[in-house]
Amino acid sequence: AQTVTQSQPEMSVQEAETVTLSCTYDTSENNYYLFWYKQPPSRQMILVIRQEAYKQQNATENRFSVNFQKAAKSFSLKISDSQLGDTAMYFCAFMKHANAGKSTFGDGTTLTVKP
Amino acid sequence: ETGVTQSPTHLIKTRGQQVTLRCSSQSGHNTVSWYQQALGQGPQFIFQYYREEENGRGNFPPRFSGLQFPNYSSELNVNALELDDSALYLCASSRSQGQGGNEQFFGPGTRLTVL
Repeated sequence: AQTVTQSQPEMSVQEAETVTLSCTYDTSENNYYLFWYKQPPSRQMILVIRQEAYKQQNATENRFSVNFQKAAKSFSLKISDSQLGDTAMYFCAFMKHANAGKSTFGDGTTLTVKP
Repeated sequence: ETGVTQSPTHLIKTRGQQVTLRCSSQSGHNTVSWYQQALGQGPQFIFQYYREEENGRGNFPPRFSGLQFPNYSSELNVNALELDDSALYLCASSRSQGQGGNEQFFGPGTRLTVL
């Protein structure tokens, strides 16, 4: 079974600064996907960024980027130029390549962006 | 394109009762996954429906059951409610079952409280 660990229950950052959220996972699979999801206080979960394990290049989406270290089973999220709207719970999730839609989530990191 | 919707938004039940939660998948999506998110934790996979059949189940007892209809909407039924069933129930739809990594679109969730 896969496990996902987010070791930072809460973090805060000043507006316009950069913050990194940590995630480690455990799996014996070789083909899989990793995701970061954002869940604002209104609850609707949205996908922030996705990484395919077979790709060595780290994924980027505008201000969001990841540092994917496959051997270390580490998948951190960097948010640059933090904005007040980035305040939310962030979840790291794992999905086996053959198991679309069946994700294993970490327990989340609550990020607060301060003005 | 209509997003994922869930009903009701909130629900209060007592122990031993039964509950039905509903989810309408996003247009064009044929796969629906259900997750349970307890307070302060990440979502846990309950089960998935693909083309009206259950396609994988997480570590949940048989009193958690579901349905998917020809229009791909879905229901989650929970019998003999227990206090620990109190949680946010999330529905997520995706385009296909055969390929991993397809983006899941989450609904806003149903908050179930069991007294």
